[in-house]
Amino acid sequence: KAGVTQTPRYLIKTRGQQVTLSCSPISGHRSVSWYQQTPGQGLQFLFEYFSETQRNKGNFPGRFSGRQFSNSRSEMNVSTLELGDSALYLCASMDITSGNTIYFGEGSWLTVV
Amino acid sequence: KNEVEQSPQNLTAQEGEFITINCSYSVGISALHWLQQHPGGGIVSLFMLSSGKKKHGRLIATINIQEKHSSLHITASHPRDSAVYICAVDGGTSYGKLTFGQGTILTVHP
Repeated sequence: KAGVTQTPRYLIKTRGQQVTLSCSPISGHRSVSWYQQTPGQGLQFLFEYFSETQRNKGNFPGRFSGRQFSNSRSEMNVSTLELGDSALYLCASMDITSGNTIYFGEGSWLTVV
Repeated sequence: KNEVEQSPQNLTAQEGEFITINCSYSVGISALHWLQQHPGGGIVSLFMLSSGKKKHGRLIATINIQEKHSSLHITASHPRDSAVYICAVDGGTSYGKLTFGQGTILTVHP
């Protein structure tokens, strides 16, 4: 089985722009969650989707949004980028029918300049 | 105070040593995850625990629900074990809303 795939791996954006990151979960996994990792704050939960529904959201401003498609692929969007949004964005998928082991993608490194 | 506290933050060992990383949490949980992150970013799940003890190769993880404490042990450590080890708790109905410790940077010297 292919693992969790995130694209793009690296990107540089300018303040004020928006960015869309994509995540393809492991086949058969319907739960997809997103996390932000920064040196200062560590890993923080952004949101989780299951069957196209957002079930949980972390403490991030409304500029951070996401969605999930019927094939379980997910996207997250950050609008009006700020320098502080520079981070590693990680996607993870989970098979809730078999023990909730979590599988992470390699992440998307976002630099805002 | 963070909801999930790990200790130590940095750990240096010689190859072959027995290593212990601790994780304490202050919230009710349904499961606790031990994760490994290598330079470059990718995270691998090592264990998911809701009670007791699990073993995989040279790695052992234990959890004490009453004391809200978990430990990750590495026996016969090897330089390839050098990585950041992260404890994360799942609050139950939180659907993927993991709360993470700050991580332990482990360096194993040959």
